[in-house]
Amino acid sequence: DAKTTQPPSMDCAEGRAANLPCNHSTISGNEYVYWYRQIHSQGPQYIIHGLKNNETNEMASLIITEDRKSSTLILPHATLRDTAVYYCIVRVAVDAGKSTFGDGTTLTVKP
Amino acid sequence: DTGVSQNPRHKITKRGQNVTFRCDPISEHNRLYWYRQTLGQGPEFLTYFQNEAQLEKSRLLSDRFSAERPKGSFSTLEIQRTEQGDSAMYLCASRGDSRETQYFGPGTRLLVL
Repeated sequence: DAKTTQPPSMDCAEGRAANLPCNHSTISGNEYVYWYRQIHSQGPQYIIHGLKNNETNEMASLIITEDRKSSTLILPHATLRDTAVYYCIVRVAVDAGKSTFGDGTTLTVKP
Repeated sequence: DTGVSQNPRHKITKRGQNVTFRCDPISEHNRLYWYRQTLGQGPEFLTYFQNEAQLEKSRLLSDRFSAERPKGSFSTLEIQRTEQGDSAMYLCASRGDSRETQYFGPGTRLLVL
């Protein structure tokens, strides 16, 4: 599996966009980028995933660079409830469940 | 769809005791996963079932760990002769055939004294 690198922590002001980067320079052509988040004391929650095109859903947007070596998760209007650990994982879709998460980015949304 | 449930939510045990955790996946999800998460780290994959078949085990799953999914529905994870290093959150997740995403349960937090 391609490894990912994320900053350990980030802050964001409430109401502003939160942009969480992830580097995955060894990604293979058939590997997807998945994002999950984990709010304290809860199980991880799926956010979004993509292969090479940018993706958007009701929770977030995923921007993948053209060379696919990095991506950015965008929370357009961060709220206090978005404070969580955000994990970026790279895996082929059929193996998507057998992921070992890295240490993620702790996002703190401040009022 | 009531989500993935896990029981118990918390377990405190003494070193050397056996413990068993249960996971009830989302109904009709044929894929079930177990993970372990220690404090400050992300979840680590332990094992994977498709229906009742255990298809993959991580090398993290020592001989003291055993998982079952006898009827392809709920699953149990047993740890024998617990050690203090087993203290962690044990997470279960499920996924259906046509889905690419997992749904996680709330986890069982184990403390071995």
